Amino acid sequence: GQSLEQPSEVTAVEGAIVQINCTYQTSGFYGLSWYQQHDGGAPTFLSYNALDGLEETGRFSSFLSRSDSYGYLLLQELQMKDSASYFCADANRDDKIIFGKGTRLHILP
Amino acid sequence: NAGVTQTPKFQVLKTGQSMTLQCAQDMNHNSMYWYRQDPGMGLRLIYYSASEGTTDKGEVPNGYNVSRLNKREFSLRLESAAPSQTSVYFCASETFNYEQYFGPGTRLTVT
Repeated sequence: GQSLEQPSEVTAVEGAIVQINCTYQTSGFYGLSWYQQHDGGAPTFLSYNALDGLEETGRFSSFLSRSDSYGYLLLQELQMKDSASYFCADANRDDKIIFGKGTRLHILP
Repeated sequence: NAGVTQTPKFQVLKTGQSMTLQCAQDMNHNSMYWYRQDPGMGLRLIYYSASEGTTDKGEVPNGYNVSRLNKREFSLRLESAAPSQTSVYFCASETFNYEQYFGPGTRLTVT
């Protein structure tokens, strides 16, 4: 089976750094993705990690450790527009993507 | 290049009515997905299609059917709507490296 665990809510201050963790239990795991979703909108793709290590894209970075079945999304220089829900999702040999329940990020001015 | 389109954007049904949600993508992707999203539940996979002509059940397939009409189109049908199917429905298509593009969603209310 598959399951992904992530915190339901995280709060941080504008300009700061925040890390959103995701642990997974998946057979035939291929990689971990991250998506952002603003209220009322559709999810949008942020990153995909197939290999261990850190991938950086501007202010956002994503990390994967296959040995620990763990990954995280790191957001730097937080802006108010980063207030959103963030989902981790895994890809696996069954050719389907399963999403975690999402982490709602609150940013304080 | 419209990406992923979904129709309708909003729909209200009475219990027992049927309807089809339409989805189309113009990115030549092989894989397409249907999800439902309920408050606090994240995105739950209903059905997916890894390629034209194939469909498979996801986590919550009961009460739904799908058709992969061609490479572009993947429709979701509710044969007899129930209030438990009130939700936001998203269609997505996927690149070869698991990057998913989502449509704008259909907000369905069943009374």
